[in-house]
Amino acid sequence: EAGVTQSPTHLIKTRGQQATLRCSPISGHTSVYWYQQALGLGLQFLLWYDEGEERNRGNFPPRFSGRQFPNYSSELNVNALELEDSALYLCASSLGTYRDGEKLFFGSGTQLSVL
Amino acid sequence: GENVEQHPSTLSVQEGDSAVIKCTYSDSASNYFPWYKQELGKRPQLIIDIRSNVGEKKDQRIAVTLNKTAKHFSLHITETQPEDSAVYFCAATSGGGADGLTFGKGTHLIIQP
Repeated sequence: EAGVTQSPTHLIKTRGQQATLRCSPISGHTSVYWYQQALGLGLQFLLWYDEGEERNRGNFPPRFSGRQFPNYSSELNVNALELEDSALYLCASSLGTYRDGEKLFFGSGTQLSVL
Repeated sequence: GENVEQHPSTLSVQEGDSAVIKCTYSDSASNYFPWYKQELGKRPQLIIDIRSNVGEKKDQRIAVTLNKTAKHFSLHITETQPEDSAVYFCAATSGGGADGLTFGKGTHLIIQP
C-alpha cells in the first residue's frame, strides 16, 4: 500500500512568487493535514481538510490557502512568497480526524526555498 | 489553544542506556498524545501513542507514561541503539481536535557508541 506522497520534493521560488504543493493521501483516507516545519520551530499546523472542505486552519496569514479534491488529494498554495516561508511542508493523512483518535501518517515533504 | 512544551531539546546518551523525553501540555481537555520519530531527511513516523484513559503503554523498548493531573507525558526508550538517533516529537490534541495536533519543538536524541 502506497503511503502519503508529496510533490515536488524540492521547490525554489523567489520573493513575491506563488508556490503550489501537492499531496496524495493514503488510499481510503479522507482527512488531509498540512504542517510547516521550519528549522528549530517544530511542526506548525497549517490547514486541515476533510471530505473536500476546509475544517480548520492554524495561525497563518490568508496567503496560505489550499483545497481538497474529490479524490481526497490536496493542494497547498502560498501566495506572495516571503523569505521566512522557506521550510519543509509536510502533508499528513488519516482515516478520520484525530479528534476520534485516528493516527496521522506523514509524507516526506516538500522543501520550499524562497530566494 | 493547546501549548506543548518539550524537554530537553538535545539529549545525548551512551548506547545501551535509557533515554527519557518529557512533554507538558496546557489544555486539560486533550485526550490523545502521539510520539513521532523523524530521522534526518525522512518523514515523521508514529512510534507510539497513548489516550487519556490509559496511564502507561509499552511497545518493546519504548514506553509512554501519562499523568493527566499534572498534564505531562513522557517517552522512555530503554537499551538505546544507534538507530534510535533521531529527532523525537511529542504532540497533543486540543479539546475536540479542532485546532489540529499541536507538536512540541522536538528532541534531538544522540546515541553515543
